[in-house]
Amino acid sequence: DAGVTQSPTHLIKTRGQHVTLRCSPISGHKSVSWYQQVLGQGPQFIFQYYEKEERGRGNFPDRFSARQFPNYSSELNVNALLLGDSALYLCASSRGQGAREQYFGPGTRLTVT
Amino acid sequence: GENVEQHPSTLSVQEGDSAVIKCTYSDSASNYFPWYKQELGKGPQLIIDIRSNVGEKKDQRIAVTLNKTAKHFSLHITETQPEDSAVYFCAASATGYSSASKIIFGSGTRLSIRP
Repeated sequence: DAGVTQSPTHLIKTRGQHVTLRCSPISGHKSVSWYQQVLGQGPQFIFQYYEKEERGRGNFPDRFSARQFPNYSSELNVNALLLGDSALYLCASSRGQGAREQYFGPGTRLTVT
Repeated sequence: GENVEQHPSTLSVQEGDSAVIKCTYSDSASNYFPWYKQELGKGPQLIIDIRSNVGEKKDQRIAVTLNKTAKHFSLHITETQPEDSAVYFCAASATGYSSASKIIFGSGTRLSIRP
């Protein structure tokens, strides 16, 4: 079975630009969560979506938004990029809406210059 | 706020010896405690988890223990092998229907296995 897939793998953007990151969950999983991982730190929770509805939100500014599609794939959007947004963005999927048994994708490495 | 502290930040052990990583959490409502292994250039991989109604869980060379009273939980790896070298993250979650289903991660432990 395919695991969680994310695209693109790497991305370089300029300050002030906008970025869209994509995630496809494991087949049969209805929940997608997004995390930001800054180098040398643990992942930080951004959003969770279950059945196309936002079920949880971390402490991130409104420049961060996300959505989930009918096929359970998801997009993370970040507007007005700052240098501090440079990080590995991870997507995790799980069957239910809880945090249990979340499986992570390989991530998208975003560099803001 | 919710916090998970993890120690040590780096750990080097001889191949074949045991490794122990310890974590503490602050949110009393936490009831799910996963452990992740992250290799260079990859996303975190779930290696074992434990729920609050269980004190210990074992899977081959890996075991986790939970002390809810003290808000401590630990990862034990026995008979370490070179492929165990990676960064390990503990995490905690207050998962439930009415709770924001987020996982709070520790800061990670870089485990190195010496041949």
